[in-house]
Amino acid sequence: QVQLQESGPRLVKASETLSLTCTVSGYSISSGFYWGFIRQSPGKGLEWIGTVYYDGTTFYNPSFKSRVTLSADPSKNQFIMKLFFLTATDTAHYYCARHARYGDPRSWFDPWGQGTPVTVSS
Amino acid sequence: SYELTQPPSVSVSPGQTARITCSGDTLPKKYAFWYQKKSGQAPVLVIYEDTKRPSGIPERFSGSSSWTVATLTITGAQVEDEADYFCYSTDNSGQIQVFGGGTKLTVL
Repeated sequence: QVQLQESGPRLVKASETLSLTCTVSGYSISSGFYWGFIRQSPGKGLEWIGTVYYDGTTFYNPSFKSRVTLSADPSKNQFIMKLFFLTATDTAHYYCARHARYGDPRSWFDPWGQGTPVTVSS
Repeated sequence: SYELTQPPSVSVSPGQTARITCSGDTLPKKYAFWYQKKSGQAPVLVIYEDTKRPSGIPERFSGSSSWTVATLTITGAQVEDEADYFCYSTDNSGQIQVFGGGTKLTVL
Protein backbone atom coordinates (compact mmCIF):
# COMPACT_ATOMS: atom_id res chain seq x y z
CA GLN A 1 0.00 0.00 0.00
CA VAL A 2 1.18 3.50 -0.74
CA GLN A 3 2.65 5.46 2.17
CA LEU A 4 3.89 9.04 2.27
CA GLN A 5 6.33 10.60 4.73
CA GLU A 6 7.20 14.26 5.03
CA SER A 7 10.66 15.37 6.13
CA GLY A 8 12.35 18.68 6.66
CA PRO A 9 13.26 21.26 9.29
CA ARG A 10 10.87 21.94 12.14
CA LEU A 11 12.17 25.44 12.78
CA VAL A 12 13.03 28.01 10.16
CA LYS A 13 13.68 31.71 10.31
CA ALA A 14 11.51 34.39 8.82
CA SER A 15 12.51 35.53 5.33
CA GLU A 16 14.26 32.19 4.69
CA THR A 17 13.18 29.25 2.53
CA LEU A 18 11.41 26.12 3.72
CA SER A 19 12.28 22.93 1.90
CA LEU A 20 10.13 19.87 2.57
CA THR A 21 10.49 16.45 1.01
CA CYS A 22 7.79 13.83 0.65
CA THR A 23 9.11 10.29 0.31
CA VAL A 24 6.70 7.80 -1.20
CA SER A 25 6.87 4.07 -0.55
CA GLY A 26 4.79 1.25 -1.93
CA TYR A 27 4.13 3.00 -5.23
CA SER A 28 6.19 4.69 -7.92
CA ILE A 29 5.55 8.43 -8.27
CA SER A 30 6.14 7.93 -12.00
CA SER A 31 3.10 5.69 -12.38
CA GLY A 32 0.48 8.22 -13.37
CA PHE A 33 -0.83 9.87 -10.21
CA TYR A 34 -0.36 13.48 -9.23
CA TRP A 35 1.02 14.48 -5.84
CA GLY A 36 0.34 17.48 -3.63
CA PHE A 37 1.19 19.50 -0.55
CA ILE A 38 -1.41 20.82 1.89
CA ARG A 39 -0.99 22.70 5.14
CA GLN A 40 -2.99 23.48 8.26
CA SER A 41 -2.13 26.63 10.19
CA PRO A 42 -2.82 26.76 13.95
CA GLY A 43 -6.53 27.13 14.58
CA LYS A 44 -7.30 27.22 10.88
CA GLY A 45 -8.50 24.90 8.17
CA LEU A 46 -6.60 22.99 5.53
CA GLU A 47 -5.09 24.86 2.59
CA TRP A 48 -3.98 23.34 -0.70
CA ILE A 49 -0.51 24.60 -1.68
CA GLY A 50 0.19 22.91 -4.97
CA THR A 51 0.40 19.75 -7.06
CA VAL A 52 3.21 18.12 -9.03
CA TYR A 53 3.56 15.32 -11.58
CA TYR A 54 6.66 13.17 -11.91
CA ASP A 55 7.60 14.99 -15.14
CA GLY A 56 7.67 18.36 -13.39
CA THR A 57 4.21 19.58 -14.38
CA THR A 58 2.89 21.78 -11.59
CA PHE A 59 -0.27 23.50 -10.43
CA TYR A 60 -0.26 26.08 -7.66
CA ASN A 61 -2.76 27.76 -5.39
CA PRO A 62 -2.73 31.43 -6.50
CA SER A 63 -2.74 32.40 -2.80
CA PHE A 64 0.91 31.48 -2.72
CA LYS A 65 1.63 33.51 -5.85
CA SER A 66 5.25 33.02 -6.78
CA ARG A 67 6.43 32.00 -3.30
CA VAL A 68 6.36 28.26 -3.89
CA THR A 69 7.88 25.75 -6.25
CA LEU A 70 7.23 22.00 -6.39
CA SER A 71 9.46 19.46 -8.07
CA ALA A 72 9.78 15.69 -8.35
CA ASP A 73 12.73 13.31 -8.14
CA PRO A 74 11.59 9.97 -9.59
CA SER A 75 14.98 8.40 -8.95
CA LYS A 76 14.40 8.81 -5.22
CA ASN A 77 10.62 8.44 -5.42
CA GLN A 78 10.27 11.84 -3.79
CA PHE A 79 8.65 15.16 -4.44
CA ILE A 80 9.76 18.44 -2.92
CA MET A 81 8.26 21.77 -1.92
CA LYS A 82 10.19 24.99 -1.52
CA LEU A 83 8.38 27.90 0.11
CA PHE A 84 10.19 31.22 -0.06
CA PHE A 85 10.16 34.45 1.95
CA LEU A 86 8.70 32.86 5.03
CA THR A 87 6.71 34.80 7.61
CA ALA A 88 5.15 33.79 10.92
CA THR A 89 1.89 33.05 9.08
CA ASP A 90 3.63 30.11 7.39
CA THR A 91 3.81 28.32 10.74
CA ALA A 92 1.72 25.23 10.13
CA HIS A 93 1.48 21.47 9.85
CA TYR A 94 2.50 20.50 6.33
CA TYR A 95 1.14 17.38 4.65
CA CYS A 96 1.87 15.62 1.42
CA ALA A 97 -0.75 13.50 -0.29
CA ARG A 98 -1.59 11.69 -3.49
CA HIS A 99 -4.42 12.77 -5.74
CA ALA A 100 -6.88 9.93 -5.63
CA ARG A 101 -7.78 9.55 -9.29
CA TYR A 102 -5.24 8.28 -11.80
CA GLY A 103 -4.03 11.01 -14.10
CA ASP A 104 -6.28 13.67 -12.58
CA PRO A 105 -4.63 16.62 -10.78
CA ARG A 106 -8.07 17.97 -9.88
CA SER A 107 -9.15 14.93 -7.92
CA TRP A 108 -9.32 14.73 -4.17
CA PHE A 109 -6.43 13.67 -1.94
CA ASP A 110 -6.04 10.11 -0.67
CA PRO A 111 -3.91 8.92 1.03
CA TRP A 112 -2.01 11.49 3.08
CA GLY A 113 1.22 11.53 5.01
CA GLN A 114 1.27 12.01 8.77
CA GLY A 115 2.37 15.62 8.39
CA THR A 116 5.25 17.58 9.83
CA PRO A 117 5.09 20.69 12.03
CA VAL A 118 6.99 23.76 10.92
CA THR A 119 7.51 26.87 13.02
CA VAL A 120 8.73 30.12 11.51
CA SER A 121 10.62 32.21 14.01
CA SER A 122 11.46 35.85 13.82
CA SER B 1 -11.31 33.46 -3.53
CA TYR B 2 -13.69 30.53 -3.27
CA GLU B 3 -14.73 29.38 0.20
CA LEU B 4 -16.48 26.47 1.84
CA THR B 5 -18.25 27.27 5.10
CA GLN B 6 -18.64 24.87 8.00
CA PRO B 7 -19.92 25.36 11.55
CA PRO B 8 -17.01 25.54 14.00
CA SER B 9 -18.41 22.87 16.29
CA VAL B 10 -21.08 20.22 16.67
CA SER B 11 -21.80 18.33 19.84
CA VAL B 12 -23.88 15.17 20.34
CA SER B 13 -24.29 12.42 22.92
CA PRO B 14 -23.13 8.90 22.08
CA GLY B 15 -25.69 7.12 19.93
CA GLN B 16 -27.20 10.32 18.59
CA THR B 17 -27.00 11.50 15.00
CA ALA B 18 -24.43 14.14 14.18
CA ARG B 19 -24.86 16.31 11.09
CA ILE B 20 -22.12 18.56 9.80
CA THR B 21 -22.83 20.95 6.95
CA CYS B 22 -20.64 22.50 4.30
CA SER B 23 -21.87 25.44 2.23
CA GLY B 24 -20.40 26.52 -1.08
CA ASP B 25 -21.65 28.22 -4.23
CA THR B 26 -20.23 25.59 -6.59
CA LEU B 27 -21.56 22.56 -4.74
CA PRO B 28 -24.52 22.25 -7.14
CA LYS B 29 -21.94 21.48 -9.85
CA LYS B 30 -18.98 20.08 -7.93
CA TYR B 31 -18.71 17.07 -5.67
CA ALA B 32 -18.09 17.39 -1.94
CA PHE B 33 -15.67 15.21 -0.05
CA TRP B 34 -15.25 14.74 3.70
CA TYR B 35 -12.15 14.06 5.78
CA GLN B 36 -11.84 13.04 9.41
CA LYS B 37 -8.80 14.37 11.20
CA LYS B 38 -7.75 13.32 14.67
CA SER B 39 -4.98 15.06 16.55
CA GLY B 40 -1.55 13.91 15.45
CA GLN B 41 -2.91 11.76 12.65
CA ALA B 42 -3.22 12.09 8.91
CA PRO B 43 -6.60 13.08 7.50
CA VAL B 44 -8.77 10.12 6.53
CA LEU B 45 -11.28 10.24 3.69
CA VAL B 46 -14.71 9.22 4.97
CA ILE B 47 -16.96 10.32 2.07
CA TYR B 48 -16.14 11.00 -1.58
CA GLU B 49 -18.22 12.32 -4.48
CA ASP B 50 -20.99 13.51 -2.17
CA THR B 51 -22.30 10.15 -1.04
CA LYS B 52 -19.77 7.36 -1.53
CA ARG B 53 -18.08 5.67 1.37
CA PRO B 54 -14.53 4.28 0.98
CA SER B 55 -13.92 0.71 1.98
CA GLY B 56 -13.21 0.37 5.69
CA ILE B 57 -15.31 3.37 6.70
CA PRO B 58 -18.18 2.38 9.03
CA GLU B 59 -21.70 2.44 7.60
CA ARG B 60 -22.74 5.04 10.16
CA PHE B 61 -20.95 7.62 8.01
CA SER B 62 -23.02 8.94 5.11
CA GLY B 63 -23.06 11.97 2.88
CA SER B 64 -25.63 13.95 0.99
CA SER B 65 -25.76 17.13 -1.03
CA SER B 66 -28.58 19.48 -1.84
CA TRP B 67 -27.96 22.55 -3.95
CA THR B 68 -25.29 24.61 -2.16
CA VAL B 69 -25.11 22.51 1.02
CA ALA B 70 -23.35 19.19 1.51
CA THR B 71 -23.95 17.26 4.71
CA LEU B 72 -21.96 14.61 6.52
CA THR B 73 -24.16 12.49 8.75
CA ILE B 74 -22.93 10.15 11.45
CA THR B 75 -25.82 7.98 12.55
CA GLY B 76 -25.28 6.66 16.04
CA ALA B 77 -22.10 8.64 16.72
CA GLN B 78 -19.46 6.90 18.81
CA VAL B 79 -16.92 8.41 21.18
CA GLU B 80 -14.19 7.37 18.74
CA ASP B 81 -15.78 9.60 16.10
CA GLU B 82 -14.64 12.69 18.02
CA ALA B 83 -12.43 14.55 15.55
CA ASP B 84 -12.23 17.52 13.26
CA TYR B 85 -14.11 17.07 10.00
CA PHE B 86 -13.22 18.99 6.85
CA CYS B 87 -15.15 19.23 3.63
CA TYR B 88 -13.32 19.61 0.32
CA SER B 89 -14.30 20.65 -3.17
CA THR B 90 -13.09 22.81 -6.03
CA ASP B 91 -13.99 26.13 -7.57
CA ASN B 92 -16.01 26.26 -10.77
CA SER B 93 -12.99 25.83 -12.99
CA GLY B 94 -11.77 22.86 -11.01
CA GLN B 95 -8.36 24.51 -10.83
CA ILE B 96 -8.46 25.65 -7.22
CA GLN B 97 -8.87 23.03 -4.55
CA VAL B 98 -10.51 24.26 -1.38
CA PHE B 99 -11.14 22.94 2.09
CA GLY B 100 -13.72 24.12 4.58
CA GLY B 101 -12.60 25.61 7.86
CA GLY B 102 -13.34 22.41 9.73
CA THR B 103 -15.90 21.35 12.32
CA LYS B 104 -14.93 19.97 15.70
CA LEU B 105 -17.24 17.09 16.57
CA THR B 106 -17.62 16.36 20.26
CA VAL B 107 -19.31 13.13 21.33
CA LEU B 108 -19.98 12.98 25.06
